[in-house]
Amino acid sequence: GENVEQHPSTLSVQEGDSAVIKCTYSDSASNYFPWYKQELGKRPQLIIDIRSNVGEKKDQRIAVTLNKTAKHFSLHITETQPEDSAVYFCAASRGDYKLSFGAGTTVTVRA
Amino acid sequence: SAVISQKPSRDICQRGTSLTIQCQVDSQVTMMFWYRQQPGQSLTLIATANQGSEATYESGFVIDKFPISRPNLTFSTLTVSNMSPEDSSIYLCSVAGGNTEAFFGQGTRLTVV
Repeated sequence: GENVEQHPSTLSVQEGDSAVIKCTYSDSASNYFPWYKQELGKRPQLIIDIRSNVGEKKDQRIAVTLNKTAKHFSLHITETQPEDSAVYFCAASRGDYKLSFGAGTTVTVRA
Repeated sequence: SAVISQKPSRDICQRGTSLTIQCQVDSQVTMMFWYRQQPGQSLTLIATANQGSEATYESGFVIDKFPISRPNLTFSTLTVSNMSPEDSSIYLCSVAGGNTEAFFGQGTRLTVV
């Protein structure tokens, strides 16, 4: 089955700086890569996703890049704010929405 | 996007008992899934809830422990059977398909004592 590795496990950044989270996947048939943000005690919320026919996608301060050859994808958050503090999960799927998740990254934005 | 209602939101149960969790969606969706999130951990797919037929379970999960129903395109239940403290987790339903990406219900926080 699919194996998704996510790094780093924790990330502390100064407010206004950028944060980058990286994931690798093992199944070359995976073609859908969502990112979720989970605040304490809440459900995971989809913040951005990318499909394999696209190399990069941006939504305001959030961007995701995909390198299919290397089987890795990354989340970039620019101009971080305290409300960006949360646990972020990457995931991969073959397009059937059966998601394999990374272990998660706890992001702390220092004011 | 679809609105997902999951209940109960939390429960404390005695070991050896069973709990049924319900997931209701406000529109017809193709795919419904159940995930488990153990304390401080990531999410793991338990099974795909198939409308009108038996669920498809992932490795490590079996029907006797986690029976699932999906009588129509908007509703599914997950039962956690013969519970032990190791079953203490958050259980989440997820829906996807058509114009709906993979969204999650608010989860059921289960504590087994």
